[in-house]
Amino acid sequence: DIVMTQGALPNPVPSGESASITCQSSKSLLYSDGKTYLNWYLQRPGQSPQLLIYWMSTRASGVSDRFSGSGSGTDFTLKISRVEAEDVGVYYCQQFLEFPYTFGAGTKLELK
Amino acid sequence: QVKLQQSGAELVKPGASVKLSCKTSGYTFSTSYMSWFKQIPGQSIEWIGMIYAGDGGTGYNQKFKGKATLTVDTSSSTAYMDLSSLTTEDSAVYFCAREDYNNYYFDYWGQGVMVTVSS
Repeated sequence: DIVMTQGALPNPVPSGESASITCQSSKSLLYSDGKTYLNWYLQRPGQSPQLLIYWMSTRASGVSDRFSGSGSGTDFTLKISRVEAEDVGVYYCQQFLEFPYTFGAGTKLELK
Repeated sequence: QVKLQQSGAELVKPGASVKLSCKTSGYTFSTSYMSWFKQIPGQSIEWIGMIYAGDGGTGYNQKFKGKATLTVDTSSSTAYMDLSSLTTEDSAVYFCAREDYNNYYFDYWGQGVMVTVSS
């Protein structure tokens, strides 16, 4: 199985500051079609996960442009600019390259 | 709009089985893919498996083979997951989510259902 390893945030993050969350995969998620099959989700407290970013860097419909994704085949970063109260929750990276689909352990964002 | 409505919380005894439902609306269920997930409170998310409503074809995480069985009823646009031989380790929140198989992500999620296994 592909192992997804996420980094921690230096919580709490001051409101209005930027935050970057890292994720590393045990196998390259770059496929032969040129797409990198890495997604980012946010799970707010008590809610279901919601899609933020797919194909490593494409924002999902309705997602604020304060969220951006970048990376290579195995190392990825989700950047959140001007952190707001609604950004609080746990962020997960997830690979869609092969079965079984796997998630990182999650990175918690707390607001100062 | 797309909605995935899951059945209510379950309290079941060890050794029993439970069938969870995920009723959908707002899109063409019969040609869609549905995945199921397990999340122990405070922990990460595990993918259990997926089912294609068009022909009932499935793909499972090896870890959940023999534990979970996925089915669909296209007449009611509902997906189901049977969990068998339950133990306390199966106590968790279970989610269903629509899988966009063209763009490779999970775009709509059910609200989750808590399953508690206790005697």
